[in-house]
Amino acid sequence: KNEVEQSPQNLTAQEGEFITINCSYSVGISALHWLQQHPGGGIVSLFMLSSGKKKHGRLIATINIQEKHSSLHITASHPRDSAVYICAVRIRGGADGLTFGKGTHLIIQP
Amino acid sequence: DAGITQSPRHKVTETGTPVTLRCHQTENHRYMYWYRQDPGHGLRLIHYSYGVKDTDKGEVSDGYSVSRSKTEDFLLTLESATSSQTSVYFCAISRDQEGYQPQHFGDGTRLSIL
Repeated sequence: KNEVEQSPQNLTAQEGEFITINCSYSVGISALHWLQQHPGGGIVSLFMLSSGKKKHGRLIATINIQEKHSSLHITASHPRDSAVYICAVRIRGGADGLTFGKGTHLIIQP
Repeated sequence: DAGITQSPRHKVTETGTPVTLRCHQTENHRYMYWYRQDPGHGLRLIHYSYGVKDTDKGEVSDGYSVSRSKTEDFLLTLESATSSQTSVYFCAISRDQEGYQPQHFGDGTRLSIL
């Protein structure tokens, strides 16, 4: 069972391009998280969303609760944005902890 | 950065041996989690803690046990390691149970069971 699905699995783009990564989920949630993992392994929390939209620098995250869908956008992409981006949800009424998508591997070429 | 330290960072051991991984936090967060990360699976919850001596099982808890005797320390034990437990293990902490606060992750422990 894949309660959290991300697309695309892999994405290669040129520097400066506008990037969109999608996340769909099939369960009721209390919150959705976007995380970033660079080669070498460290995981960093980017956003927590329960509704609407959030922006931090060149990153924008949106969520549509009715459609069970979230997007992560990167504007003016840069090679340092190359990383794995992971969507995760806190299932409402479920066990503590997050349920994760398999990640989107993003490469930004100079 | 949140103060989370995982130890050891790397470990190679043999099938059948006991292994303990440690997660230490300096943030006084109530909630602590152990996840494993495997290719093709993403991160999966092993066990979690919602307070001192309060723990519960996650999605992939078979073969693992945990203990939390102090707020700052959460230990993950493989009683008799198997090759299927070769993985990267991440500890995470949070102030909130319902996911309304970020989870902060440690740097991970790469465990190889030969």
